[in-house]
Amino acid sequence: KAGVTQTPRYLIKTRGQQVTLSCSPISGHRSVSWYQQTPGQGLQFLFEYFSETQRNKGNFPGRFSGRQFSNSRSEMNVSTLELGDSALYLCASSRGQGAVYFYFGPGTRLTVT
Amino acid sequence: DAKTTQPNSMESNEEEPVHLPCNHSTISGTDYIHWYRQLPSQGPEYVIHGLTSNVNNRMASLAIAEDRKSSTLILHRATLRDAAVYYCILNPPTRQGAQKLVFGQGTRLTINP
Repeated sequence: KAGVTQTPRYLIKTRGQQVTLSCSPISGHRSVSWYQQTPGQGLQFLFEYFSETQRNKGNFPGRFSGRQFSNSRSEMNVSTLELGDSALYLCASSRGQGAVYFYFGPGTRLTVT
Repeated sequence: DAKTTQPNSMESNEEEPVHLPCNHSTISGTDYIHWYRQLPSQGPEYVIHGLTSNVNNRMASLAIAEDRKSSTLILHRATLRDAAVYYCILNPPTRQGAQKLVFGQGTRLTINP
């Protein structure tokens, strides 16, 4: 079974631009979560989608948004990029209903200059 | 979200057992204890989880104190590939399935050859 895939793996953007990151969960998984990892704040939960609905949201500004498609693939978008948005963005998938643990992707490394 | 406390770093030798402690004195009766690890340049990886009884799987063992206020992840015979940051996380069960993980700073495990 293929693992969680994230594209692109690396991205360089300029302050003020916007960016879209993509995540394809493990086949059959209906839940996709997003996390931000920075050296200062560690791993922080952004949001979770299940069957195209956002079920849970972390404490991030509205510039961070996401969506999930009917095939469970998910995208997250960050608008008006700031230098502090430079981070590793990780996607995790799980079965959703009754699931206990998550499978993480390799992440997208975003650098904002 | 209930909090866990782990040592910032630990060091061990290859082929020796490693005991990674975690304190969670505010754990509630229904919180599961989860362990994830993050190898360099990878996303976190599920290791093991438990509720009250000790648990074993192919990767590790989890020893849970009788009062559940602490637990220990045991790697029976460490290899260089076990060098990673290990996270102890409390996760309440939900009927909707696991929705998010609250990561602390974790323990950085170094394995000496």
